[in-house]
Amino acid sequence: DAGITQSPRHKVTETGTPVTLRCHQTENHRYMYWYRQDPGHGLRLIHYSYGVKDTDKGEVSDGYSVSRSKTEDFLLTLESATSSQTSVYFCAITPRGGHGYTFGSGTRLTVV
Amino acid sequence: GQQLNQSPQSMFIQEGEDVSMNCTSSSIFNTWLWYKQDPGEGPVLLIALYKAGELTSNGRLTAQFGITRKDSFLNISASIPSDVGIYFCAGQLYGGSQGNLIFGKGTKLSVKP
Repeated sequence: DAGITQSPRHKVTETGTPVTLRCHQTENHRYMYWYRQDPGHGLRLIHYSYGVKDTDKGEVSDGYSVSRSKTEDFLLTLESATSSQTSVYFCAITPRGGHGYTFGSGTRLTVV
Repeated sequence: GQQLNQSPQSMFIQEGEDVSMNCTSSSIFNTWLWYKQDPGEGPVLLIALYKAGELTSNGRLTAQFGITRKDSFLNISASIPSDVGIYFCAGQLYGGSQGNLIFGKGTKLSVKP
């Protein structure tokens, strides 16, 4: 268990409202990622972080921002949610000494 | 950008049958990974492959890193109902920026008891 916790697990929000999803890790991993998963598209990278206050854009970053003010927390914010952002969001970390990523359990977000 | 072509998109098989799925790319990767995702959960790493030509097993699962480094396959022998889920391949590069794990779109496996 890589100690990754995503919150909330489920959220329904209205179009135009801001939403923040949280990813919390307990093992001091340097790299953290946010993905979205949609049918027919697989997993697409939104943003990633390579350290405190160090972040970069992924493939589908429009409409999303991130912040990492401390090692353990990586926040994903939708400034003004749209229906196209209805998706399942996964946080991931790069495990120490290993390859690939370890994923959290996901947040199912519905924008109505 | 880089893409992985994973096939088939979905499979409906009878319990006990063997399963084969594969991923191809126009790019070379240094590591190939196979993940399984159960409903309502995040993907979990099944097998990691680090060398061209490598064949690795994990129980009933066998995966191979293609000689050209542009493809990989995953076989599941004697499928059982708990094999149901979505299987993803992923290729990983070294060098460049992080966020360099490229995913296939997944193979959805359904197993009929």
